[in-house]
Amino acid sequence: QKEVEQNSGPLSVPEGAIASLNCTYSDRGSQSFFWYRQYSGKSPELIMFIYSNGDKEDGRFTAQLNKASQYVSLLIRDSQPSDSATYLCAVNGPGGYNKLIFGAGTRLAVHP
Amino acid sequence: DADVTQTPRNRITKTGKRIMLECSQTKGHDRMYWYRQDPGLGLQLIYYSFDVKDINKGEISDGYSVSRQAQAKFSLSLESAIPNQTALYFCATSDGTVGTEAFFGQGTRLTVV
Repeated sequence: QKEVEQNSGPLSVPEGAIASLNCTYSDRGSQSFFWYRQYSGKSPELIMFIYSNGDKEDGRFTAQLNKASQYVSLLIRDSQPSDSATYLCAVNGPGGYNKLIFGAGTRLAVHP
Repeated sequence: DADVTQTPRNRITKTGKRIMLECSQTKGHDRMYWYRQDPGLGLQLIYYSFDVKDINKGEISDGYSVSRQAQAKFSLSLESAIPNQTALYFCATSDGTVGTEAFFGQGTRLTVV
């Protein structure tokens, strides 16, 4: 079992819709959870991080964390074509090293 | 100037050659990382370093070595490059605080022929 799992997609949504991206992780000791966006050939850039159970909202983005189910998600409201990218889920494990383990990413395509 | 700088940005090398990828950062972070990215596989951790005296293997360290020359510099070497090491390589830094993000360099596209 991979430490961080995501559906590879592609996830295709129409412009203006809600895109829902999901991620599960295997290490119950994980403390922090990140969503990165990566455009093709570019470096990842942070969208959101979350470390408490529940929801965290930032503009059109909402991260949701459920530690009991070892599940973290990202909702993108009012999706725009510019949101088309690969979304990487990353988990920061215990131990103090801040070692980030990434999922394989979900490719999102927002069509007009 | 970028906070995390990788050189070179692109490199084509021959099988069996030794190659070094360099990373420098101006963020003052202690922790530095090297990741490899292949299509459809996300980012795989090669090596990471807590400080200049601390080097740790990641998920896929075979065939790679690293050197932490200073707090700001972390180099990745391929001792004898092989074609399946063709990939996009990223260096990243963080300050280690829980919840703190990692900051990435612009990537090095390496092709081994």
